[in-house]
Amino acid sequence: EPEVTQTPSHQVTQMGQEVILRCVPISNHLYFYWYRQILGQKVEFLVSFYNNEISEKSEIFDDQFSVERPDGSNFTLKIRSTKLEDSAMYFCASSGQTVNTEAFFGQGTRLTVV
Amino acid sequence: GQSLEQPSEVTAVEGAIVQINCTYQTSGFYGLSWYQQHDGGAPTFLSYNGLDGLEETGRFSSFLSRSDSYGYLLLQELQMKDSASYFCAVTMTTDSWGKLQFGAGTQVVVTP
Repeated sequence: EPEVTQTPSHQVTQMGQEVILRCVPISNHLYFYWYRQILGQKVEFLVSFYNNEISEKSEIFDDQFSVERPDGSNFTLKIRSTKLEDSAMYFCASSGQTVNTEAFFGQGTRLTVV
Repeated sequence: GQSLEQPSEVTAVEGAIVQINCTYQTSGFYGLSWYQQHDGGAPTFLSYNGLDGLEETGRFSSFLSRSDSYGYLLLQELQMKDSASYFCAVTMTTDSWGKLQFGAGTQVVVTP
């Protein structure tokens, strides 16, 4: 069964460092998303991406964040200068060829900023 | 503002029925989804309601009333493996490419 894959599963980084979280969405999907979940809290929307550009972003997604689809398969989230409060589980998701009713989530990358 | 309200925790015994309610206030509404999340895992899609009424998928059913801005997830014949967090999520308008706004989640604890 097709799935969204994310790497790494865990990332520990020092405050101020840059991190890149990687995702491989389901191959025929056209819409890609990043969400984050701080431990014990709800899942929060960060950004959606379609046709090689950001279609919507939340207020969390400030200038420290960027997304890229460098090739036909990968979808990345970069945090330029990490802060302690960026520590969270980051989920990549993708959905199909229309405004879809279902988003498929990856297993997440647990980011710990120390 | 935008908000989704759902109970924080529900406890029930195996074989029982649990209903998780969700009320929402959002600036746009396309449909209501339900996701299950086991500890440390990815949210997994359970069901979607775009129209008023009941959708049934095996042991799980979901209901939507647009006029009441209300929906619920019904879990029947509870099993231990159903212990998880359940999130309602609003799909915003068609201009928002399926962006999901999640509720805070309901922790369902199933006891023997």
